[in-house]
Amino acid sequence: AQSVAQPEDQVNVAEGNPLTVKCTYSVSGNPYLFWYVQYPNRGLQFLLKYITGDNLVKGSYGFEAEFNKSQTSFHLKKPSALVSDSALYFCAVRDSNSGGYQKVTFGTGTKLQVIP
Amino acid sequence: EAGVAQSPRYKIIEKRQSVAFWCNPISGHATLYWYQQILGQGPKLLIQFQNNGVVDDSQLPKDRFSAERLKGVDSTLKIQPAKLEDSAVYLCASSLGQISYEQYFGPGTRLTVT
Repeated sequence: AQSVAQPEDQVNVAEGNPLTVKCTYSVSGNPYLFWYVQYPNRGLQFLLKYITGDNLVKGSYGFEAEFNKSQTSFHLKKPSALVSDSALYFCAVRDSNSGGYQKVTFGTGTKLQVIP
Repeated sequence: EAGVAQSPRYKIIEKRQSVAFWCNPISGHATLYWYQQILGQGPKLLIQFQNNGVVDDSQLPKDRFSAERLKGVDSTLKIQPAKLEDSAVYLCASSLGQISYEQYFGPGTRLTVT
């Protein structure tokens, strides 16, 4: 069975500093990995995804994520945090090698707080 | 392009009452999802449609929840009768396809069961 873990419930970072939100996964085949952001009282918004190819994926709002197969990780990063980045971030995984349908599994979310 | 539309945005009902949620996906998106998101948790898939056929409803409490997607476009999710533990945000999402495609989410319906 596939799973995804976000080990930190909350990450605090000062504005202007680099940020990292961690995600690790477990699948039987190759992973399709996604990051979504949720602002208060709003639905989730897609940030970026890794399907295949370059391990460094760039997405919306200056975010990027690095796929590391040996560590089964897909950490979200941004070089310089903005106060407006404060939100709830979800990592999600789908197994590409299921031989059929396989649903997306979401992590429990990490609250990012950017301090002015 | 227009996003995923959901209504109502908020609903308060008493336990044992029934409620229905509506979702209109992005035009051309074949795959539609309903999720339940309880406070402090990630979204949990309730049901997934491919066009108007059900792909996965393994986590749908079928004794009280039902969903349909008529003509492969709009969808409704119904709860009858509601329980206190159904209090959650119900999210609808759509995508072009199933496997490698990202999902686009609506604003959600916040349900409170008293």
